[in-house]
Amino acid sequence: EDKVVQSPLSLVVHEGDTVTLNCSYEVTNFRSLLWYKQEKKAPTFLFMLTSSGIEKKSGRLSSILDKKELFSILNITATQTGDSAIYLCAAHSNSGYALNFGKGTSLLVTP
Amino acid sequence: SAVISQKPSRDICQRGTSLTIQCQVDSQVTMMFWYRQQPGQSLTLIATANQGSEATYESGFVIDKFPISRPNLTFSTLTVSNLSPEDSSIYLCSVGPEAGNTIYFGEGSWLTVV
Repeated sequence: EDKVVQSPLSLVVHEGDTVTLNCSYEVTNFRSLLWYKQEKKAPTFLFMLTSSGIEKKSGRLSSILDKKELFSILNITATQTGDSAIYLCAAHSNSGYALNFGKGTSLLVTP
Repeated sequence: SAVISQKPSRDICQRGTSLTIQCQVDSQVTMMFWYRQQPGQSLTLIATANQGSEATYESGFVIDKFPISRPNLTFSTLTVSNLSPEDSSIYLCSVGPEAGNTIYFGEGSWLTVV
């Protein structure tokens, strides 16, 4: 059975801290791994990773995939209160186009 | 990216009634999906909405409870039937893969059953 596991489940940091969110996966016919940020309702797309070792970067956020060890990390540097959200990791297989989501990491950035 | 509109964004319904959620995309898309997110939980796939044929349901979800329509490549509806408080969730429409296999989500429909 395919599964995606995120850690930690919740995290509280101070503004300016750097955080690393983890996502491990076991997915048959793995195609890609996606990261989303969810603040209120709809998850907002952050990154899609398909190749090992290639870092994707957007501002203070970056992510990388390790297909040998079956995990990905999402880094956020110089955190701001606006980064407070649930960060979702999802795996996408070649056997379909639906996503298998982890439980998410709830991040709270305090002033 | 595709622009996905969902209606209603929020509703409060009486138990035993039904609610139909609409999902409209601004371009033709091959794949449309419906997800449920129960309070404090992650997203769970309900079904894949297939254009011109019956939806493909995931384990634990049945057509009688969650009938889905997909009359064309830009529109789908999800009905949640015979509502109970356990159906209180966010229901999300998603489309994909678009260019680069990215999958996008609508704004979600927040259902509360009383």
